[in-house]
Amino acid sequence: AQKITQTQPGMFVQEKEAVTLDCTYDTSDQSYGLFWYKQPSSGEMIFLIYQGSYDEQNATEGRYSLNFQKARKSANLVISASQLGDSAMYFCAMRETNYGGSQGNLIFGKGTKLSVKP
Amino acid sequence: DSGVTQTPKHLITATGQRVTLRCSPRSGDLSVYWYQQSLDQGLQFLIQYYNGEERAKGNILERFSAQQFPDLHSELNLSSLELGDSALYFCASRPGSGDTGELFFGEGSRLTVL
Repeated sequence: AQKITQTQPGMFVQEKEAVTLDCTYDTSDQSYGLFWYKQPSSGEMIFLIYQGSYDEQNATEGRYSLNFQKARKSANLVISASQLGDSAMYFCAMRETNYGGSQGNLIFGKGTKLSVKP
Repeated sequence: DSGVTQTPKHLITATGQRVTLRCSPRSGDLSVYWYQQSLDQGLQFLIQYYNGEERAKGNILERFSAQQFPDLHSELNLSSLELGDSALYFCASRPGSGDTGELFFGEGSRLTVL
């Protein structure tokens, strides 16, 4: 069964520094997608970044980059130049295996709570 | 703003009652997903609809049901509510094909069962 593991329940980072949030995954599929979402205290889930299993380059979106190490089955999120507004829960997710003709839903990890200190 | 609209945003009710949560997906999105987020269980997939048809079921209780209407909006019905049903319920949508698969989430409906 597919699984997402986030081993850091909470992280602290100083404002303007970079931080890495860990994510490992388990799947037997050759084709899969990995996602990161941000959930601020207000509750909404905000899509940050996507990495396809066949993408040769690490995904980047502004201050977010995904450190994809396929052999190690890891997909760590790197946030550069942290800002106070980055304080939130961060979830790593994987697209579930195709079934029934659909592309499947997303399986989420337990999340990491990031706190940015001024 | 993700383009996904959920109502109500907050709901307080009593055990044994029934509630209906409503979701309007992004314009043109055919797939709708429902998730439950609780402190102890994290984000749990409940059910998925694609263009009006049920496509996948997750950890959805028999007391819960959902449907997707011809205009693509969806409703999640929760009945015989228990204290443990208190949670944040998310609806998410995506086009359904030809995309990378990211889901666009609504702001959630926070249900409190007293």
